[in-house]
Amino acid sequence: AQSVTQLGSHVSVSEGALVLLRCNYSSSVPPYLFWYVQYPNQGLQLLLKYTSAATLVKGINGFEAEFKKSETSFHLTKPSAHMSDAAEYFCARSRGSSNTGKLIFGQGTTLQVKP
Amino acid sequence: EAEVAQSPRYKITEKSQAVAFWCDPISGHATLYWYRQILGQGPELLVQFQDESVVDDSQLPKDRFSAERLKGVDSTLKIQPAELGDSAMYLCASSPELAGVETQYFGPGTRLLVL
Repeated sequence: AQSVTQLGSHVSVSEGALVLLRCNYSSSVPPYLFWYVQYPNQGLQLLLKYTSAATLVKGINGFEAEFKKSETSFHLTKPSAHMSDAAEYFCARSRGSSNTGKLIFGQGTTLQVKP
Repeated sequence: EAEVAQSPRYKITEKSQAVAFWCDPISGHATLYWYRQILGQGPELLVQFQDESVVDDSQLPKDRFSAERLKGVDSTLKIQPAELGDSAMYLCASSPELAGVETQYFGPGTRLLVL
């Protein structure tokens, strides 16, 4: 079954430290992949997406993610965490190998940023 | 910047009652999605519309849930009767096209509590 696994439901970093949120997908054919952020009591906002072009994808707010087919991973990173980065982060994939608009989401990772 | 509108933002109801949620997508967006997000989990697609037509409602519990998008613009999701397990955040999203790599834009959601 097609799925998305986010390793670590909670990640805590100090302000200014590296942020690394892990995401693995299951598929024999690389899907389209997305990272969304959700602030408390709000909807989801797209951070970045991989659409089979460049494997290193840059997004908003200084985030980037690297698609690694050999590892079936799409980890999200940010060199220096800011307090405003504290939120819930969701990795998602398209169903199948094309983007038909149907997304499968991971369970989410809560990012805590300590001062 | 155009946004997806949802109302109400919060809804408390008793089990066996009927509830309805409304979504107004970004103007011109042909595709509309309803997701259910249980606390601590990622969103799960309930139904997908292309204009006024249902494209996918395979995960919609049709014995109690219904969704419509009569004029291909705004949409209503109804639950009748509500059950305790329906307590969740209901998210609406829209995108310009059905296929392709279009981003889904999410509304703020309706948080439902069933007592």
